[in-house]
Amino acid sequence: KQEVTQIPAALSVPEGENLVLNCSFTDSAIYNLQWFRQDPGKGLTSLLLIQSSQREQTSGRLNASLDKSSGRSTLYIAASQPGDSATYLCAVMSIASNTGKLIFGQGTTLQVKP
Amino acid sequence: KAGVTQTPRYLIKTRGQQVTLSCSPISGHRSVSWYQQTPGQGLQFLFEYFSETQRNKGNFPGRFSGRQFSNSRSEMNVSTLELGDSALYLCASSLVANAEAFFGQGTRLTVV
Repeated sequence: KQEVTQIPAALSVPEGENLVLNCSFTDSAIYNLQWFRQDPGKGLTSLLLIQSSQREQTSGRLNASLDKSSGRSTLYIAASQPGDSATYLCAVMSIASNTGKLIFGQGTTLQVKP
Repeated sequence: KAGVTQTPRYLIKTRGQQVTLSCSPISGHRSVSWYQQTPGQGLQFLFEYFSETQRNKGNFPGRFSGRQFSNSRSEMNVSTLELGDSALYLCASSLVANAEAFFGQGTRLTVV
């Protein structure tokens, strides 16, 4: 059974710092891994999608990497800003779970202090 | 291009009632999936529809059901509401099942 873990559960950093969020999964047989951002009481905003054949994806100040063999992904945020404060969720689409089902971690809540 | 639209945004219902939530996917997207988000359990998969067929279902009781129409719009229904059904219900759409998922703003259901 696929399980997704995100560590730490919460993180507080001063503005301008570079930071890394971690995501691990137990079954390497995945279609893809997706990172999302969620603001309080809101829906999820897709940040980056990494297909199983890819190693990394970049969008602006965000870079996500995928190492399927070790069951890990990282989300790197460069030069953090207060507007980056949110909960970050990673989710995998596992081959064993069949189609259309994302399995989520519990999220990392990030606070960037001015 | 319009995003995923969920209606209503907020609902308050009484135990024992039933509720129907609606999701309009991004134009051209044929896969729609539903998730329940609670503080204790996080995000849990409910079901996925593609071309009006339910192809995958999560571990929820039969009180939770859904359907998809020919225009890809989807509804989910919860009957005989319980207090524990209080949650944020999120809908996601994608071009095909394993493509990038885009989520709506959710429907906040409160059962009293």
